[in-house]
Amino acid sequence: EPEVTQTPSHQVTQMGQEVILHCVPISNHLYFYWYRQILGQKVEFLVSFYNNEISEKSEIFDDQFSVERPDGSNFTLKIRSTKLEDSAMYFCASSEQGSSYNEQFFGPGTRLTVL
Amino acid sequence: SQKIEQNSEALNIQEGKTATLTCNYTNYSPAYLQWYRQDPGRGPVFLLLIRENEKEKRKERLKVTFDTTLKQSLFHITASQPADSATYLCALARGATNKLIFGTGTLLAVQP
Repeated sequence: EPEVTQTPSHQVTQMGQEVILHCVPISNHLYFYWYRQILGQKVEFLVSFYNNEISEKSEIFDDQFSVERPDGSNFTLKIRSTKLEDSAMYFCASSEQGSSYNEQFFGPGTRLTVL
Repeated sequence: SQKIEQNSEALNIQEGKTATLTCNYTNYSPAYLQWYRQDPGRGPVFLLLIRENEKEKRKERLKVTFDTTLKQSLFHITASQPADSATYLCALARGATNKLIFGTGTLLAVQP
């Protein structure tokens, strides 16, 4: 069964460093998303991406964040200068269409630890 | 803004019993409501979706109801098993690309 994959599973970085989180969505899906989950809190939307551009972003997704789909398969989230409060699980998700009745398929997540 | 509330306390039940989890939402009335399962350290996994004009939806041992008057969805697991122990999230889709807004989730623990 096709699945969303994410690498690395765990990333440790120093405050102020740049990190890039990698995702490979399901191949025939058109909509891509990043969510994050701070330990003990709910899953929060960061950004959605369709047709090679950002479709929607939350207020969390400030100028320190960017997304890219550098080729036909990868979807990356970059944090330019990490802060302590960026420590969280980051989940990539994809869906076939962007309709409200379409389920989203989530990857296993990358645990980001900022020291 | 849209709020989704789920029982924040863990639900502990005996194996074989029916677990019932509650999801309440405010403001916007969604056309669809989704339920996901999340295991520790893992991403959410889709379980069921229910439309506003459906009173009830079933899938194997799972049942979801949707009451748009009460703004509430109930999620039932019948004949629960220890393997059902996880956090269950309700979510609704909003915005141009239907980003998911999640509740805080309810932790279910099924005791053998």
